[in-house]
Amino acid sequence: QSALTQPASVSGSPGQSITISCTGTGSDIGSHDLLSWYQQHPGKAPKVIIYEVSKRPSGVSDRFSGSKSGNTASLTISGLQAEDEADYSCCSYAGNTFLFGGGTKVTVL
Amino acid sequence: EVQLVESGGGLVQPGGSLRLSCAASGFTFSKYWMHWVRQGPGKGLVWIAHIKSDGGRTTYADSVKGRFTISRDNAKNTLYLQMNSLRVEDTAMYFCASGGALQTGQPWGWGQGTLVTVSS
Repeated sequence: QSALTQPASVSGSPGQSITISCTGTGSDIGSHDLLSWYQQHPGKAPKVIIYEVSKRPSGVSDRFSGSKSGNTASLTISGLQAEDEADYSCCSYAGNTFLFGGGTKVTVL
Repeated sequence: EVQLVESGGGLVQPGGSLRLSCAASGFTFSKYWMHWVRQGPGKGLVWIAHIKSDGGRTTYADSVKGRFTISRDNAKNTLYLQMNSLRVEDTAMYFCASGGALQTGQPWGWGQGTLVTVSS
């Protein structure tokens, strides 16, 4: 049960777009579309921002988008804003269990 | 709106036990799978267990299998995590999260967490 692989940090200037990758294997990310992304501000609970690879829950900004290719999923934040500075984690169903990525700290320069 | 409130965390010595609770409201608790997820200090989220809506099926991460037990009381809208044989590496913030109607439902609504510290 190895964690999914995410970059430790990604940064961008306000208004720019950034992309965070999440790499797994053919047994998890590569075998279905049960992949979610979570945003977590310091000291707060995680909040789901993307589910089933590319769907957005009600109330989540359309600046957040998700995609997948093979064993790698991606989260793109467009029109980066100061409030987007947070940790982002991916999560995949992995055959009766779930795997999270190690998390990516997004810094708005 | 999903509301989840965890309780029961605290300081415990290695080898000790602790029982966490998660009070649910704002949704039909008895219809959904429920998860426990933890986060060590400065570390990422780690899924540790989930339980079927009727309590009839449970699954655990290898790291806690045989030491932790997830359970639920649908009459009280409450989820539990019994933690035995605690280790220093179990020190973390523990979150409960609602899942879906199916086993594959990923963590959705989250509580604020309860802190467990294992130290002598």
